Amino acid sequence: QVQLQESGPGLVKPSETLSLTCAVSGYIISSGYYWGWIRQPPGKGLEWIGSIYHSGSTYYNPSLKSRVTISVDMSKNQFSLKLSSVTAADTAVYYCARCPRFGSTIYDYWGQGTLVTVSS
Amino acid sequence: QSALTQPASVSGSPGQSVTISCTGTSSDVGGYNYVSWYQQHPGKAPKLMIYDVINRPSGVSNRFSGSKSGNTASLTISGLQAEDEADYYCSSYTSSTTLEVFGTGTQVTVL
Repeated sequence: QVQLQESGPGLVKPSETLSLTCAVSGYIISSGYYWGWIRQPPGKGLEWIGSIYHSGSTYYNPSLKSRVTISVDMSKNQFSLKLSSVTAADTAVYYCARCPRFGSTIYDYWGQGTLVTVSS
Repeated sequence: QSALTQPASVSGSPGQSVTISCTGTSSDVGGYNYVSWYQQHPGKAPKLMIYDVINRPSGVSNRFSGSKSGNTASLTISGLQAEDEADYYCSSYTSSTTLEVFGTGTQVTVL
């Protein structure tokens, strides 16, 4: 069974960098598929942040592109998200998910989500 | 790229059918058969219910069905059950630079 688990600080100060990791079990990332990050501000809808292919190719939401970096660590079978210069507007539950076919918006396995609060 | 438009809420009695609409443009919903639907219970991660407009993943009840007409996709829940009470989001590929866009979300209430 494929499982994803997000981890990282739950509190980040304004202007600093948010860093999250998604550990994958039950599937080897290097085997294929895309791996994405999606966020959801409290009480609001979902927003696609970006995705990475196992080869390292990345795709980002243009609204966040200047601040986002997604990378993959095959040796640890995990992928990561970095979002720089955060503000209160970046407070959200951050989900990692697996995408079998980029652009299809098919996310078949999700992490449980982790709440990141931006506050001093 | 704006979010796809969904009604804020829909409701129905147990056993009835409800339909949720998802309206976009010819650059997203209307232009591609890459529409997905997700169910999200409070405090939980979204769950894929429909993909490629009409397809159900293994394990999803056949009470859930998807369709599309022009720039509007729809999710129909037949034989409404208490467990169907949740938020539902559509999503679509878009030819804009955003690439992937979600809907505004619809709260389904079982009366």
